[in-house]
Amino acid sequence: VPLQQWGAGVLKASETLSLTCAVYGGSFSGYYWTWIRQPPGKGLEWIGEVDHSGTTNYSPSLRSRLTISVDTSKNQFFLKLTSVTAADTADYYCARGFRWAEGNGMDVWGQGTTVTVSS
Amino acid sequence: EIVLTQSPGTLSLSPGERATLSCRPSQGIGNTYLAWYRQKPGQAPRLLIYGTSYRATGIPDRVSGSGSGTDFTLTISRLEPEDFAVYYCQQFASSPLTFGPGTRLEI
Repeated sequence: VPLQQWGAGVLKASETLSLTCAVYGGSFSGYYWTWIRQPPGKGLEWIGEVDHSGTTNYSPSLRSRLTISVDTSKNQFFLKLTSVTAADTADYYCARGFRWAEGNGMDVWGQGTTVTVSS
Repeated sequence: EIVLTQSPGTLSLSPGERATLSCRPSQGIGNTYLAWYRQKPGQAPRLLIYGTSYRATGIPDRVSGSGSGTDFTLTISRLEPEDFAVYYCQQFASSPLTFGPGTRLEI
């Protein structure tokens, strides 16, 4: 079940970051479709997730600027982050999250998109 | 927010040796809620362990996880060249689903 992601890689401060992640094969329901980011040279930051019904769960630090949505007819989910600044410069990943009885994790990842915000 | 502390920050070992990596949540979490990932330079992270001790698909049995509450461990026996990377733990007990800062395993 590969994930393929795309979106604009260079933005100016105050613009809106928009990314799409397409799910090829496998079920779209029953999973948590997740966005994660990684600033240059730093660790991973969980951004938020959406399930197939559109129920979302966001990082509090980004909630005021963040929208994660889903289009089940296309097996795609989306990230929109408004009013970006240089601090939003990072590699952005989409991933499939699961919540099984024996454990939780994110087992399929997109290839990553490098987003650079210039001032 | 649950903060994860990983130690050591960097671990220097040789192929064939055993690596022991620690992840300590700021509050106790159930075993279901702890996962480990490996990330190589320029690549997306890869799931190694979920539910504290269950290996993900394709992960060899020389990689194992253990622990409970506020003390979790990832062990890699007989290190191979592919194991030298950065390792992250992640908790799913409460939102936001935080990651630890990572442990760099280097030769």
